[in-house]
Amino acid sequence: QPVLTQAPSASASLGASVKLTCTLSSGHTSYNIAWHQLQPEKGPRFLMKLNNDGSHTKGDGIPDRFSGSFSGADRFLTISNLQSEDEAVYYCQTWDSGIRVVFGGGTKLTVL
Amino acid sequence: VHLVESGGDLVQPGRSLSLTCRASGFTFVGYAMHWVRQRPGKGLEWVAGINWDSTSVGYTDSVRGRFTLSRDNSKNSLSLMMHSLRPEDTALYYCAKDVGDFDAFDVWGQGTMVTVSS
Repeated sequence: QPVLTQAPSASASLGASVKLTCTLSSGHTSYNIAWHQLQPEKGPRFLMKLNNDGSHTKGDGIPDRFSGSFSGADRFLTISNLQSEDEAVYYCQTWDSGIRVVFGGGTKLTVL
Repeated sequence: VHLVESGGDLVQPGRSLSLTCRASGFTFVGYAMHWVRQRPGKGLEWVAGINWDSTSVGYTDSVRGRFTLSRDNSKNSLSLMMHSLRPEDTALYYCAKDVGDFDAFDVWGQGTMVTVSS
């Protein structure tokens, strides 16, 4: 089954941009993924589905500051003009035909 | 679009517990549904998923044979029956809606807490 690898932490300054990475395991590099945000004391929030052709579909109300891209096995979430409320843990998710769903370990983003 | 989980509780190891997710604001029958958990201090872990007509059900290895996922499309509800509970099942359990049939999740509930302890 696919494995998703994420760095455990990232940080960037208020107003800056940050690019979070989710890497698909060998043999699964063409998979589509989704990005989710988990803020403290809140349920997860769907950010976007990122297809392997680079197209993406965002969740309702997700601002333009959030964008997705890819390169090979890597899937990226870029957050521009960082706000304090962007401080959260970001998870990538994928799925396969074996009726399995997999999450990455999550990246905790700190806004300085 | 809303998902509301209920049923979380403190239970002893080896006991059973049932979680329910009630959906509103969308055509429930059209989508697969899932449970995802977050153990204390850990990341998100997919627990189980079911397609729209209950013909395909999947479980993560650690719960297969102990948990049973079902849905009632007439009541817009999803249920997770958990047997032989273990301390490591202690987690915040989230209900999630699929965008289709085992695909991305686009709607999440707020979660219900399950604590397994003697």
